[in-house]
Amino acid sequence: QQQVKQSPQSLIVQKGGISIINCAYENTAFDYFPWYQQFPGKGPALLIAIRPDVSEKKEGRFTISFNKSAKQFSLHIMDSQPGDSATYFCAALSGATNKLIFGTGTLLAVQP
Amino acid sequence: DGGITQSPKYLFRKEGQNVTLSCEQNLNHDAMYWYRQDPGQGLRLIYYSQIVNDFQKGDIAEGYSVSREKKESFPLTVTSAQKNPTAFYLCATQGSGANVLTFGAGSRLTVL
Repeated sequence: QQQVKQSPQSLIVQKGGISIINCAYENTAFDYFPWYQQFPGKGPALLIAIRPDVSEKKEGRFTISFNKSAKQFSLHIMDSQPGDSATYFCAALSGATNKLIFGTGTLLAVQP
Repeated sequence: DGGITQSPKYLFRKEGQNVTLSCEQNLNHDAMYWYRQDPGQGLRLIYYSQIVNDFQKGDIAEGYSVSREKKESFPLTVTSAQKNPTAFYLCATQGSGANVLTFGAGSRLTVL
């Protein structure tokens, strides 16, 4: 019940295309859902985050869509660029425990 | 990155040796975490500490040890009991009341 399932494991997108990464969770106690971006050899960095009382959050080319009833959320990268090539992790946090549970990551490659 | 210093960045160890990875922060964050990253497995929590002189086991604590004698420092020792220690190790911090983690740049340990 503590798992966050992330898919796909890897993704190849053409420059200018839309990248979509999906995550699903079971624990309804999760109340904060961040996405992290990690470049090779670096630590993950917070990209964008959402709370379950909001269905969508957009920051530039990055959008989180959240479906509370389905317990699913996704990251959309519009107009994907080669510089977006990285590993993306979704995560979920329970306010009660304050512990982040990470998905398994998606390796995104944007081809020029 | 961003006030978290992990060292060394690369470390090679012979089987049977203990090694200690350093994590120092100047963010004045209360909580500190150690994660292990392996390809296709995401980020797995090793140990975490929410206050000085206190720490808790994460999901994969066997073969590891930590200490938290100072707020700024949370070293991780990979002992010879860890059967598969080759991995990328990430230290993270979390401010009081904050939802997000801030990660260091990581340390890559290779056992020869």
